[in-house]
Amino acid sequence: GQNIDQPTEMTATEGAIVQINCTYQTSGFNGLFWYQQHAGEAPTFLSYNVLDGLEEKGRFSSFLSRSKGYSYLLLKELQMKDSASYLCAVGGNAGNMLTFGGGTRLMVKP
Amino acid sequence: DAGVTQSPTHLIKTRGQQVTLRCSPKSGHDTVSWYQQALGQGPQFIFQYYEEEERQRGNFPDRFSGHQFPNYSSELNVNALLLGDSALYLCASSLLRPGGDSPLHFGNGTRLTVT
Repeated sequence: GQNIDQPTEMTATEGAIVQINCTYQTSGFNGLFWYQQHAGEAPTFLSYNVLDGLEEKGRFSSFLSRSKGYSYLLLKELQMKDSASYLCAVGGNAGNMLTFGGGTRLMVKP
Repeated sequence: DAGVTQSPTHLIKTRGQQVTLRCSPKSGHDTVSWYQQALGQGPQFIFQYYEEEERQRGNFPDRFSGHQFPNYSSELNVNALLLGDSALYLCASSLLRPGGDSPLHFGNGTRLTVT
């Protein structure tokens, strides 16, 4: 089975840094994805980690530890437009079949 | 380059009715997956189609069925609608490759309301 946990809500201040954690227990693992979803819109791809370590892409970075079943998404220099839900998803052995966590709703305040 | 397109955007149905949702994948993609997203929840995997066949299926009853056409577009059918089927239905396309996952590209979804 698959179990993915992430905080339900987080609040941060514009210009600050926020870290969104994700822990997972899965029967198979083929990589971990982070998606951003604004209210009423489609999820959009942010990052993909298959090996341990940090992947940096502009203001966003994602980290993976396979031995600990742990990942985080780091958002720097927060902007108001970063207010959205952030979805952690694990790929199993089936190929492009993702299991999503419940999502973390991030609110950025001025 | 058109992304994933879904139709209709919104739909209201009555309990017991049947519904068909449609999806056209991103150009160059060969795999279509369908997800159900309840309000405030993460997407739940329904099934995946590749080469016109159901390749994987999540924990959804047989009332949920689908189809993929030769042009890679896909339909999701739900029979005997229940109130609990009210949700956002997301279609995602991708390119299937051996040995790893590739990012899913999502459409904007169909908001289904069952009354």
